[in-house]
Amino acid sequence: DSGVTQTPKHLITATGQRVTLRCSPRSGDLSVYWYQQSLDQGLQFLIQYYNGEERAKGNILERFSAQQFPDLHSELNLSSLELGDSALYFCASSVGPGGGVNTEAFFGQGTRLTVV
Amino acid sequence: GENVEQHPSTLSVQEGDSAVIKCTYSDSASNYFPWYKQELGKGPQLIIDIRSNVGEKKDQRIAVTLNKTAKHFSLHITETQPEDSAVYFCAAPYKLSFGAGTTVTVRA
Repeated sequence: DSGVTQTPKHLITATGQRVTLRCSPRSGDLSVYWYQQSLDQGLQFLIQYYNGEERAKGNILERFSAQQFPDLHSELNLSSLELGDSALYFCASSVGPGGGVNTEAFFGQGTRLTVV
Repeated sequence: GENVEQHPSTLSVQEGDSAVIKCTYSDSASNYFPWYKQELGKGPQLIIDIRSNVGEKKDQRIAVTLNKTAKHFSLHITETQPEDSAVYFCAAPYKLSFGAGTTVTVRA
């Protein structure tokens, strides 16, 4: 058990809908990272938050947004869903802010999103 | 930003043989290089990491080597076992960028 909790584990929804994925980091970790992993694909970095502030941004679509709350949990919002958004979404957490500082990250088990 | 290139994309080895995966990075300021293992249906798990003030680190059957001049680091798995079959990712610290992954299959 990594200590990172993601909910829900599975989500099936229709095209055009909006969903929210939730991540609770390990106790004491201030950074949360979000990744998308499509079938047979690598881990595509979406966005990172550190202590409530956006720290780094990857190839995140405008239809997607995220935030980190004062209690450090994070939510990834996906809207106007398309079939191609079906993927595993992982969050990871680390103590530090990354970008050259030690970034030992721990991953959750992921949320499998299926858009039908 | 940081670009990380990982090779090979797939690797099939006979049980007991060694496996080597190599990653190259672009940002010379990078100073922390982790390797993750992802088993089917699970999230990636950190298996070993190296910091830029050392050239090699070992942990039982796995080792990581770092060449800062050439900007590459490698994962070495010796005496491979069936449970080593998984996807392995290298990462660079900026944005925690991951390589494309290497699918390792250990043949019995």
